[in-house]
Amino acid sequence: EPEVTQTPSHQVTQMGQEVILRCVPISNHLYFYWYRQILGQKVEFLVSFYNNEISEKSEIFDDQFSVERPDGSNFTLKIRSTKLEDSAMYFCASRLRQVMNTEAFFGQGTRLTVV
Amino acid sequence: DAKTTQPNSMESNEEEPVHLPCNHSTISGTDYIHWYRQLPSQGPEYVIHGLTSNVNNRMASLAIAEDRKSSTLILHRATLRDAAVYYCILRGGMNRDDKIIFGKGTRLHILP
Repeated sequence: EPEVTQTPSHQVTQMGQEVILRCVPISNHLYFYWYRQILGQKVEFLVSFYNNEISEKSEIFDDQFSVERPDGSNFTLKIRSTKLEDSAMYFCASRLRQVMNTEAFFGQGTRLTVV
Repeated sequence: DAKTTQPNSMESNEEEPVHLPCNHSTISGTDYIHWYRQLPSQGPEYVIHGLTSNVNNRMASLAIAEDRKSSTLILHRATLRDAAVYYCILRGGMNRDDKIIFGKGTRLHILP
């Protein structure tokens, strides 16, 4: 069964450093998303991406965040200068079509720890 | 996304059916009812969705009230692996907004 793959599974970084979280969505999917989940809290929407541009972003997704689909297969989330409060699980998701009766497929997540 | 209300937690015995309720009294005519779950230390996982009629798949069944103001996710025979947080989510059929908004969900505990 096709799946969304995320790497690394766990990343530890120092405050102020840049991190890039990587995702390989399902190959024929067209819509891509990043979510985060701080320990013990809800899964929060960060950004949606379609046709090589951001469709929507949340208030959390400020200038420190960026997304890219550099080569037609990978989908990356970059945090320019990490803060302690960026520590969370980050989930990538993809969908085939933008209609409301299709499901999103989520990856297993990257645990980001900022020290 | 329209609001849904779910119990914070539920318990069930292994190998028994589980009925997870969801209230969505402000649902609009074009909203689909989706259920996702999140197993411990994993990403969310699609379970099932429906519009008006009851739906069955290999994971679960979805029973939708006639007025569509509530629905119930049914796990026919719970296993320990079904212990997870279950999210009931409305997705607007006519809405360009395609993101999924997760609430707190129902944490399901399965007792061996």
